[in-house]
Amino acid sequence: EDQVTQSPEALRLQEGESSSLNCSYTVSGLRGLFWYRQDPGKGPEFLFTLYSAGEEKEKERLKATLTKKESFLHITAPKPEDSATYLCAVAVRGATNKLIFGTGTLLAVQP
Amino acid sequence: DTEVTQTPKHLVMGMTNKKSLKCEQHMGHRAMYWYKQKAKKPPELMFVYSYEKLSINESVPSRFSPECPNSSLLNLHLHALQPEDSALYLCASSQDPGWNTEAFFGQGTRLTVV
Repeated sequence: EDQVTQSPEALRLQEGESSSLNCSYTVSGLRGLFWYRQDPGKGPEFLFTLYSAGEEKEKERLKATLTKKESFLHITAPKPEDSATYLCAVAVRGATNKLIFGTGTLLAVQP
Repeated sequence: DTEVTQTPKHLVMGMTNKKSLKCEQHMGHRAMYWYKQKAKKPPELMFVYSYEKLSINESVPSRFSPECPNSSLLNLHLHALQPEDSALYLCASSQDPGWNTEAFFGQGTRLTVV
């Protein structure tokens, strides 16, 4: 069965303390992996798309990487405004128009 | 511009009311989606429209009725809802229906059924 697991469920960091969020997946065939950021009561905001192992994408303090089994979202020197829930979603080859979402990581960055 | 616009932002309705949620995108995307999200849970897919035709209904109760009047608009008609239907309803769109590209989400409609 196709599955996406995110860890940790919650992460509390001090401002400037770098860390990584994990998204591990077990799927029959990866079409693409997407990272989103979601603020409370708002819709998910698109961050990155990764398609193949070894691929990396960067945006400001965020860097996403992909292997054959997992993806990492690295946050370098986070600021309080980076506090949000980070969602990982996987599109599975052969499953048309469906995404499998992970349950998310709630990140809190304290000043 | 990667904007998906949803109206209203908040909606309170009684169990006997009929209301509609609206979604609009002007990115030329050919796939549009309705998701439901409960607190502290990931979004759950409800419906997919591909080239203005309903392609996926995730066994959603008939009290939710989607409509795609044209390639830019998506509606969700609500009738005789239950309190457990209270949630954040999200619209999304993507360039192609096969998940070869990312989807962009609207800000959602916070629905409360009383």
